[in-house]
Amino acid sequence: NAGVTQTPKFQVLKTGQSMTLQCAQDMNHNSMYWYRQDPGMGLRLIYYSASEGTTDKGEVPNGYNVSRLNKREFSLRLESAAPSQTSVYFCASSYNTPGKEKLFFGSGTQLSVL
Amino acid sequence: QKEVEQNSGPLSVPEGAIASLNCTYSDRGSQSFFWYRQYSGKSPELIMFIYSNGDKEDGRFTAQLNKASQYVSLLIRDSQPSDSATYLCAGGGISSNYQLIWGAGTKLIIKP
Repeated sequence: NAGVTQTPKFQVLKTGQSMTLQCAQDMNHNSMYWYRQDPGMGLRLIYYSASEGTTDKGEVPNGYNVSRLNKREFSLRLESAAPSQTSVYFCASSYNTPGKEKLFFGSGTQLSVL
Repeated sequence: QKEVEQNSGPLSVPEGAIASLNCTYSDRGSQSFFWYRQYSGKSPELIMFIYSNGDKEDGRFTAQLNKASQYVSLLIRDSQPSDSATYLCAGGGISSNYQLIWGAGTKLIIKP
């Protein structure tokens, strides 16, 4: 049972380049999330998808787009990367809303934007 | 601005002692609280959750919630070197549409 699989693990971009972070879960969870984690700060929610076919903005959505491709997959796209987007990105999933139950996290993506 | 505050540490505790980690929150609408452990370079994993005032015990871990004081704590008894990690506190409730608000974490070091 793989859980939450996130790719790539590491990525270096130049300012202005674009990329997509991929996330897939095999636990039949309804809800999926993208967080970023910066030193000295808590996890911040970028976007979430409460169920297949829906997406909503989180705390820090600017500069990002998401796609809930199907129940398993939730991707995060940076259209024009900026140095401020240098961070560790985590995908997560839960059967229901996270404020009520356990979140399962992917292994993370270390992104550097030069 | 809804906030969850934690002392960043590091908190150094001798092996076998009790480690006490604390968290305060600003949103009185928060109803559920979670403690996640994160080893360096790894992803967070759930340790404990608590919804009601009082204590909740699970093995060596005890979570405590005081809604009147807006205070959450995690006690780790018989601390082991493997408990050395960063502990993240998070809270959620109807006021945040049940999305979690996270603290920055407390780094715990257990000294052998």
